[in-house]
Amino acid sequence: NAGVTQTPKFRILKIGQSMTLQCTQDMNHNYMYWYRQDPGMGLKLIYYSVGAGITDKGEVPNGYNVSRSTTEDFPLRLELAAPSQTSVYFCASSYGRWGGRETQYFGPGTRLLVL
Amino acid sequence: GENVEQHPSTLSVQEGDSAVIKCTYSDSASNYFPWYKQELGKRPQLIIDIRSNVGEKKDQRIAVTLNKTAKHFSLHITETQPEDSAVYFCAATLGHLNYTGANSKLTFGKGITLSVRP
Repeated sequence: NAGVTQTPKFRILKIGQSMTLQCTQDMNHNYMYWYRQDPGMGLKLIYYSVGAGITDKGEVPNGYNVSRSTTEDFPLRLELAAPSQTSVYFCASSYGRWGGRETQYFGPGTRLLVL
Repeated sequence: GENVEQHPSTLSVQEGDSAVIKCTYSDSASNYFPWYKQELGKRPQLIIDIRSNVGEKKDQRIAVTLNKTAKHFSLHITETQPEDSAVYFCAATLGHLNYTGANSKLTFGKGITLSVRP
């Protein structure tokens, strides 16, 4: 299994541009998550999904959108990039639904710079 | 919602010594507490976790203890090695105890940078 994969690894955006961060998992996990990580600030949850067709906001959802049309994919959309969205973005997944299977597995991250 | 705090923010130890990293949480309903290690430029990876029905869990050189009354849990690393140098994140959530459990949203602390001096 490849686990959780993310593309691209690094991207530079101009203010106002849009882009989609891709995330795919091949572990048949029900739950998927998007986090951003800023220096010294830990991991902040942006959006999460408990299954295909179901998404919900996390702690910092403003400026982002998500969709979950399949179990495997959970793309994150930035519509109008702002400098405040400069960060490292991590996608994660977990089984989620059954006791003892809460472990979240992270992707390698996408480093985004908005200038 | 849940609030997780980590103390201290940085920790430096001599190789071979022990390191203890403490976290506090606010929601007494939280029952699942994982620890993640993140090496520079890498993804966070789970190193150990504990559930509220146990007080301590060990895995080789690492252990985690939980004090539900005081709402804190700690990571213990013995015989530290240079490769233990990393950022360590604690987290808390209302995890699943049965087949109809709620979601697994983790609330992370801000992380602690552990440096092991050779």
